[in-house]
Amino acid sequence: DAMVIQNPRYQVTQFGKPVTLSCSQTLNHNVMYWYQQKSSQAPKLLFHYYDKDFNNEADTPDNFQSRRPNTSFCFLDIRSPGLGDAAMYLCATSRGTVGEKLFFGSGTQLSVL
Amino acid sequence: GENVEQHPSTLSVQEGDSAVIKCTYSDSASNYFPWYKQELGKRPQLIIDIRSNVGEKKDQRIAVTLNKTAKHFSLHITETQPEDSAVYFCAASTGYSTLTFGKGTMLLVSP
Repeated sequence: DAMVIQNPRYQVTQFGKPVTLSCSQTLNHNVMYWYQQKSSQAPKLLFHYYDKDFNNEADTPDNFQSRRPNTSFCFLDIRSPGLGDAAMYLCATSRGTVGEKLFFGSGTQLSVL
Repeated sequence: GENVEQHPSTLSVQEGDSAVIKCTYSDSASNYFPWYKQELGKRPQLIIDIRSNVGEKKDQRIAVTLNKTAKHFSLHITETQPEDSAVYFCAASTGYSTLTFGKGTMLLVSP
């Protein structure tokens, strides 16, 4: 039973064309994260929400934005995708931010043409 | 901020052998050290974690050890099986920060 659901599994967009990735959770967790993972690399945290509080990582480009309209859903918006943004985007949740297990979604593989 | 180094980047073993993956961290305030396993094309999943108040934790064939003085922790897998083949990520966090991941170790277990 999927607890963190990401759609779509694969997304193709054009260079510069805005794209939105979605994530939903059935765990009622307080925290939702967005990670970028490129091939053979560690997941890189872009930002996270603790409830409605948004926390951006210092090195996350302005091109990446996020929305969390309610507890269950979180969106990643890439305003003008570049070729370097092609990656797997992983959504994760946890009850809290400190010392808590992360539950990952299956990810969305983004291709930029 | 926290920096986590992980070695080796690739590890090949024969089925039944043991495998050890090592990580070091920079922030002495770090107190939570999980290990995630990511099979090819799948999501990362937590396999074991350890907190700074213990030195070792075991779960069947998997164990993690922590040396706070040296600021390193290790994952030990005994009696490896082909289904253990995956990328393993270590991570660390303090009492006030999110997780910092290591770069991962690709473990290949040959039958």
